[in-house]
Amino acid sequence: AQKVTQAQTEISVVEKEDVTLDCVYETRDTTYYLFWYKQPPSGELVFLIRRNSFDEQNEISGRYSWNFQKSTSSFNFTITASQVVDSAVYFCALVDLRKDSSYKLIFGSGTRLLVRP
Amino acid sequence: EPEVTQTPSHQVTQMGQEVILRCVPISNHLYFYWYRQILGQKVEFLVSFYNNEISEKSEIFDDQFSVERPDGSNFTLKIRSTKLEDSAMYFCASSVGDLYEQYFGPGTRLTVT
Repeated sequence: AQKVTQAQTEISVVEKEDVTLDCVYETRDTTYYLFWYKQPPSGELVFLIRRNSFDEQNEISGRYSWNFQKSTSSFNFTITASQVVDSAVYFCALVDLRKDSSYKLIFGSGTRLLVRP
Repeated sequence: EPEVTQTPSHQVTQMGQEVILRCVPISNHLYFYWYRQILGQKVEFLVSFYNNEISEKSEIFDDQFSVERPDGSNFTLKIRSTKLEDSAMYFCASSVGDLYEQYFGPGTRLTVT
């Protein structure tokens, strides 16, 4: 079965702390894509990153970095020097690549991050 | 920067009424999706649409739901007879290709009373 697990329901940190959001996925596919989306309090879903299963290089974008580990089926997201504006719900998602799939996103339950001043 | 737009932002309706949620995907995108998010829960897939037909639908997307692309720009979700449990945020998304990132609209909050 295709599944994404975000075990951390809510995390609270003080501004400037580093924080890591965990994502563990299950899939039978050998080729798949993983995503992170941010949902700020205003409610929209903002695309952050896409990673394919063949590319295990870690990625850094400013204060954001992602650690993809196929061996542990994890795709963790770290925010360095967190800021109040990072407060949001963060969703990890998997694209189902079965032959008859329409490439729908399968979302985890999300992690609510609260960054306190 | 192009973006997906959705109208209305909030719709309140009575149980049993029909509602139509509207979306304008990004203009060069070919794949269209509807998702919903019940308050405080995960985002769930409803339906995908490509080449003027449904590609896949979830078990949530029963006979009360339908989608349409009535012209070259709009993509609509219709719920024929709303139920209390249809209250949720409904997101439209589009992508340029099948494995490209999906861009989401701001959502329509549907409240069924």
